[in-house]
Formats: sequence, structure tokens, C-alpha cells
Amino acid sequence: DAGITQSPRHKVTETGTPVTLRCHQTENHRYMYWYRQDPGHGLRLIHYSYGVKDTDKGEVSDGYSVSRSKTEDFLLTLESATSSQTSVYFCAIWAGGLYNEQFFGPGTRLTVL
Amino acid sequence: KQEVTQIPAALSVPEGENLVLNCSFTDSAIYNLQWFRQDPGKGLTSLLLIQSSQREQTSGRLNASLDKSSGRSTLYIAASQPGDSATYLCAVRRGGKGTYKYIFGTGTRLKVLA
Repeated sequence: DAGITQSPRHKVTETGTPVTLRCHQTENHRYMYWYRQDPGHGLRLIHYSYGVKDTDKGEVSDGYSVSRSKTEDFLLTLESATSSQTSVYFCAIWAGGLYNEQFFGPGTRLTVL
Repeated sequence: KQEVTQIPAALSVPEGENLVLNCSFTDSAIYNLQWFRQDPGKGLTSLLLIQSSQREQTSGRLNASLDKSSGRSTLYIAASQPGDSATYLCAVRRGGKGTYKYIFGTGTRLKVLA
């Protein structure tokens, strides 16, 4: 499982509240990603990081921010959660190199009421 | 803009059949293509990775092929089993220096009947 954990695994929150999801990896990989998965849309990239303090936007970054102050942790923050952000959120890592694959965490199911 | 399509969206087959899942992409300038399996309520499990310079990769009963010029990849599953029931997704990593983004298809939901 490439040593990836996500917390919390489930969360229910109310519209307008801030939410932070955490992705933790134990293998010192450089690249980390946040995706959301919704029916009919597949997985869509929110943000990714290519090193400590180095991040970039994906295709659905509006309403989300990220931070990476340590190699092992990549945080996804919803500053003011909306019902449209109800989704399953997956963290992934890529080890880099020619033959390395992308590996995923177990996911966080977020419900915004 | 790269788009990745997987057809059919769902597939139901009897146990023992050999089957092919399809993945199409619009921009042939890819770095690699990866196939994943996702069980209900679970994360994604990597199955096979094909580099843009490769034609196919094999792992057990799985064989993935890549035809960049036609923008297609296929995942062949031999002698399907009920345990193969899952959603299968393909993801394309864009080519070019400094591109670390992956574009996913919406998946094919496979059900293998005992």
C-alpha cells in the first residue's frame, strides 16, 4: 500500500465550516496528489505537490487549498465547505523515475450537509 | 486537452470468459498509462504500468497493450473469475518535461458471474 494513510476516513460537516484532510506517507516520496471521485466524473485532480512547499493546481482546485510543510504530510483544506464538495477524496503518491507507478491511499468520505 | 474514455461503462460476463477492457485517449503525447482496480468503497490498486515506449505489459492473467498512435490501450483478462469483479480504471500521464499530472477515465464496472 506504499505506506499511505488518510485521516479522517469519514467526516460529516456542515456548509460553511472549514475542513482539513490529511495524507501521510512513510516512504519519503517526492510527489503527492489529492483527487476527488464522484459518480460520472471519475477521479479528478485537485492539487499536487512536487516537494516541500512546492504545489500546483489541478483541474478542480477552486475552493481548495493545500500545504506541504514536511515531506511526509500533504494537507487538503476546504476553507468553507459547500455541498458540492461532498465526495470521496483520495491521496496518491508517485515515487518518480521511469518505471514507478502511482499509489493510492484508502480514501476519505466527506459529506457536507 | 487530454480526455480519457473507457467503454463500456459496465460489463457482465460468465466466469471463465476472456475479456477485453478498452481505454481511449485523445492526445498521443503521453508519458505512460496505468491500469487500476477499485473494489467498492476502497482505494485504487495498481495493476499494470506501460511506458510510452512499450507495447504491452503482463502480470499473471492480465495483459495490457498500448497503441499510442491510435490513442488506445486494452486490458485483457484471461479466464475471468468472480474475484475479478471490480471497477477498472485507466490513467494517462501527460508527456513532456515537468508534467506530473494524471488524467483518469471514468472506469468500467466489471461483474463476473459464478
